[in-house]
Amino acid sequence: RKEVEQDPGPFNVPEGATVAFNCTYSNSASQSFFWYRQDCRKEPKLLMSVYSSGNEDGRFTAQLNRASQYISLLIRDSKLSDSATYLCAVNAGYNFNKFYFGSGTKLNVKP
Amino acid sequence: EAQVTQNPRYLITVTGKKLTVTCSQNMNHEYMSWYRQDPGLGLRQIYYSMNVEVTDKGDVPEGYKVSRKEKRNFPLILESPSPNQTSLYFCASSSPGLSDEQYFGPGTRLTVT
Repeated sequence: RKEVEQDPGPFNVPEGATVAFNCTYSNSASQSFFWYRQDCRKEPKLLMSVYSSGNEDGRFTAQLNRASQYISLLIRDSKLSDSATYLCAVNAGYNFNKFYFGSGTKLNVKP
Repeated sequence: EAQVTQNPRYLITVTGKKLTVTCSQNMNHEYMSWYRQDPGLGLRQIYYSMNVEVTDKGDVPEGYKVSRKEKRNFPLILESPSPNQTSLYFCASSSPGLSDEQYFGPGTRLTVT
């Protein structure tokens, strides 16, 4: 079983739509959770850290569900510029420095 | 400007010819890491370093070596590259902390023929 799993998509949505991605993780001891955005052939860039209480940054909301071991990312009012691949990252719990990334969910926002 | 640099950005080489990919960061980060990214497999951690002279294996260390003699540099060494090491490689750095983001370099696209 993979440490972190994501639906690869693609998610094809119209501008203005709300879209949600989930990411499940297998290590219940994981402590750090992140969403990264990756544009084609570019380096990943941090979108949001995910906290137990959930966090919001403009149109983006991230949540953590420890009981079910998943994190989620909600994007409201999608823009064309949101088209990218979204990667979740989870640390190994016992080792803050060891990270597992999901394979990414591709989002295409259409006019 | 805070950044992570990698060189070379693109490399085509032949099986067995030793190569080094350099990584340097100017943010005084303790933590550095190397990943490879392959279609359908996502980013997989190769090696990481918590500080100078402290390194440890990630998930896919076979065929790779690293060293951390200086805080800012973390080179990745392929002693005898093979075609299955053809991949996109990223270096990353961060400060140690639960919620500290990793800053990634621009990537090195390696092809081994």
